[in-house]
Order: sequence, then C-alpha cells, then structure tokens
Amino acid sequence: QKEVEQDPGPLSVPEGAIVSLNCTYSNSAFQYFMWYRQYSRKGPELLMYTYSSGNKEDGRFTAQVDKSSKYISLFIRDSQPSDSATYLCAMSPDNYGQNFVFGPGTRLSVLP
Amino acid sequence: NAGVTQTPKFQVLKTGQSMTLQCAQDMNHEYMSWYRQDPGMGLRLIHYSVGAGITDQGEVPNGYNVSRSTTEDFPLRLLSAAPSQTSVYFCASSYTTGGASYEQYFGPGTRLTVT
Repeated sequence: QKEVEQDPGPLSVPEGAIVSLNCTYSNSAFQYFMWYRQYSRKGPELLMYTYSSGNKEDGRFTAQVDKSSKYISLFIRDSQPSDSATYLCAMSPDNYGQNFVFGPGTRLSVLP
Repeated sequence: NAGVTQTPKFQVLKTGQSMTLQCAQDMNHEYMSWYRQDPGMGLRLIHYSVGAGITDQGEVPNGYNVSRSTTEDFPLRLLSAAPSQTSVYFCASSYTTGGASYEQYFGPGTRLTVT
C-alpha cells in the first residue's frame, strides 16, 4: 500500500461546479498537510497549507483534514476553466522539507 | 526575482552518458531539494540540502550526485544515465526556521529522456 493515495482521475466537471479532491494516507504521524496545483508542463505551486485537523478556507478553496479517518480533501467552489490542472496532496510529520510525502496527483478538467 | 530557475528545459541522453542539471534560486533560501516526477508515482525526493556545504540523500538517490557550494546553486549530476532515469526533474527551495521548512517553491522542471 502506498503511503499517500489519490484518485488519478481525470476528473471532468462543468464550469461552476463544486469539486472535491481527496487523499488518503496510512502514516498516523502526519501532521502537516498541503495541496499543490500543477499546470501542464509547469512546476507545482502551493495552494493550501494546514496543520492538524480541521478546515481552512482561502477564497474559493477549502482544505479539510480528518486525521481520525486519515483523509484530507480540497474543495473548489465555483470552479473555473483556469482551475484545470493536476492537484497534488503532500503531507509531513514534522514540517521538515525532506520528510514531505507527495501523492501522485489528480488531473482536473473544468469545461466551459 | 526570478525565483527558482532550471536548465536545460529538455534533454535527451544516451545510456551511459553523464550530465548536470542546473538549479539556481535568488530568494536566499537555505533549503533546496531535487525531486523526480513519474506517472502515477508522485514527486520523489532524490537529494536535499539544508545549507551551503550540507547535502543528504532522499528516497531515490542512486545514480545521482549533488553538491552545494553556494546558497544559490544546487546542481544535480547524473553519473551514468540509464533509461530508468527518464523522468521530469524538479528543483525546489524554501526558507527555514529552526530547521523546519515552509512553502517550497518549485522550478519549471527539466524533461529528461534516456535512450
């Protein structure tokens, strides 16, 4: 079993839809959780950064962490074609960069 | 600020050849790292550095060397290229406080094909 799993997609939704992207993990020591967005042929860029359980909101994006279920989610409201990208989750037990573990990514297409 | 820059953007090598992938950052970040990205595998850490003169191995270091003589530069050397090293390589950097890293800034990547 991989340490971090993501549905690879592709996930296609119409513009304006609410998108839910999810990751599951097996290491209960993970405490720091991140979502990165990666446009085609570009490097990943950090979208959301959360510590421990709970929700964090930033504009149209909400990150949710459920440590009891070892499950994290990224919700995108009012999705736009510009949200079309691959979304990577990442997590770490201690916020040291060398211990970040990345999921394989979910490819999202938002259709106009 | 140019951020994190990588050269070359694309490279084709024959098996057994060696080459150096360049990475530079102008943000005065202490922490720098190299990842490879393969389909279905996620980003995997090759080597990392917590400051000039200090490097260490990541998850998949075999076949790669690094050095860090300055804060700005962190080159990745492929010693004898193999088809298994065909991948997209990303360099990243972040500032640190007490050793902990924060947001990692990624470069645009180098697409390497080994035939």
